[in-house]
Amino acid sequence: EPEVTQTPSHQVTQMGQEVILRCVPISNHLYFYWYRQILGQKVEFLVSFYNNEISEKSEIFDDQFSVERPDGSNFTLKIRSTKLEDSAMYFCASRDTSGSWDEQFFGPGTRLTVL
Amino acid sequence: AQSVTQLGSHVSVSEGALVLLRCNYSSSVPPYLFWYVQYPNQGLQLLLKYTTGATLVKGINGFEAEFKKSETSFHLTKPSAHMSDAAEYFCAVSGGAAGNKLTFGGGTRVLVKP
Repeated sequence: EPEVTQTPSHQVTQMGQEVILRCVPISNHLYFYWYRQILGQKVEFLVSFYNNEISEKSEIFDDQFSVERPDGSNFTLKIRSTKLEDSAMYFCASRDTSGSWDEQFFGPGTRLTVL
Repeated sequence: AQSVTQLGSHVSVSEGALVLLRCNYSSSVPPYLFWYVQYPNQGLQLLLKYTTGATLVKGINGFEAEFKKSETSFHLTKPSAHMSDAAEYFCAVSGGAAGNKLTFGGGTRVLVKP
């Protein structure tokens, strides 16, 4: 069964360092998402991506964040200069249609720890 | 804007007892409603969803949920809890624009006692 994969499963970094979180969405999917979950808090939407451009982003997704689909299979989230408050679980998701009624398929997440 | 409230961050049930997880939503457009489950060290897995039509929705693992527009609720139930149901459960809403994001509730962690 096709699934969304994410690497690494756990990333530890120093404050101020750049990190890139990687996702491989399901191959025929067209819509891609990043969410994050700070420990003990809600899963929060960060950004959606379609047709090689951002379709929507939240207030959290400031200039320190960027997304890219560099090669037609990977979908990456870059944080340029990490802060302590960026420590969270980051989930990638994908969907094959535009319909809001359709399921988003989630990856297992990357736990980011900023020291 | 959309929002979701899940009443109770932790629920403890005995094996074989009813599981009831509460979800209330707010949406300015007709909502699409989802329940996801997260097992330890895994991603979010869809349990069931409501889009249109029948308001009682059946999902995987014996779960079901009923959409009640008048109460803006989408509570999740399972008649008889199993040890394998121990997990965290998230209610989510989307709607409106194509490719729309999911807005999640805070989650409810279910503990099943033998």
